[in-house]
Amino acid sequence: SQQGEEDPQALSIQEGENATMNCSYKTSINNLQWYRQNSGRGLVHLILIRSNEREKHSGRLRVTLDTSKKSSSLLITASRAADTASYFCATAGNQFYFGTGTSLTVIP
Amino acid sequence: DAGVIQSPRHEVTEMGQEVTLRCKPISGHDYLFWYRQTMMRGLELLIYFNNNVPIDDSGMPEDRFSAKMPNASFSTLKIQPSEPRDSAVYFCASSRQWEGYTFGSGTRLTVV
Repeated sequence: SQQGEEDPQALSIQEGENATMNCSYKTSINNLQWYRQNSGRGLVHLILIRSNEREKHSGRLRVTLDTSKKSSSLLITASRAADTASYFCATAGNQFYFGTGTSLTVIP
Repeated sequence: DAGVIQSPRHEVTEMGQEVTLRCKPISGHDYLFWYRQTMMRGLELLIYFNNNVPIDDSGMPEDRFSAKMPNASFSTLKIQPSEPRDSAVYFCASSRQWEGYTFGSGTRLTVV
């Protein structure tokens, strides 16, 4: 069973718009990570946020974590066509799980 | 570092045959994970090792699956006998502590 559930399952936006993806999880975590997967490729690590952090930035990425609600969000600002991919959250702690993923399409 | 190296990249085999997937983790990483990805089930954790010791193999589907890590630089995932429902992309990933996975390119397995 999946520990992390992502919302929405699919998202389509115009280039230049912001994209927000959400992840909910079930058990306590040490940290939460976000990954990108381009079609037919492996997963690439984007950003890690620890359980004692609330927000983290990396370039056009902004991640928030709310441990009381067991949820995280990934914001991609000023999206580009090259951001088209699937995005997964992953939890690390007593157990390791990946979410179901959000398929993002950025239309040029 | 060349990253996590998996072989083969593609494997097509007949039902009933033995399949062995190989993985070389990043040097210095103490965790190694085997994942399987399908459209139906998404990414499933099969097994993970810490310092070459299997920690959790509860995700291994059945006794036909086995994994070993004889040393810090090599791991195998074996399926014997293989079945069509085993068709998937199998990923190996390694990490230092829990500080983010580095994934290999995956092995696309097709069992006919």
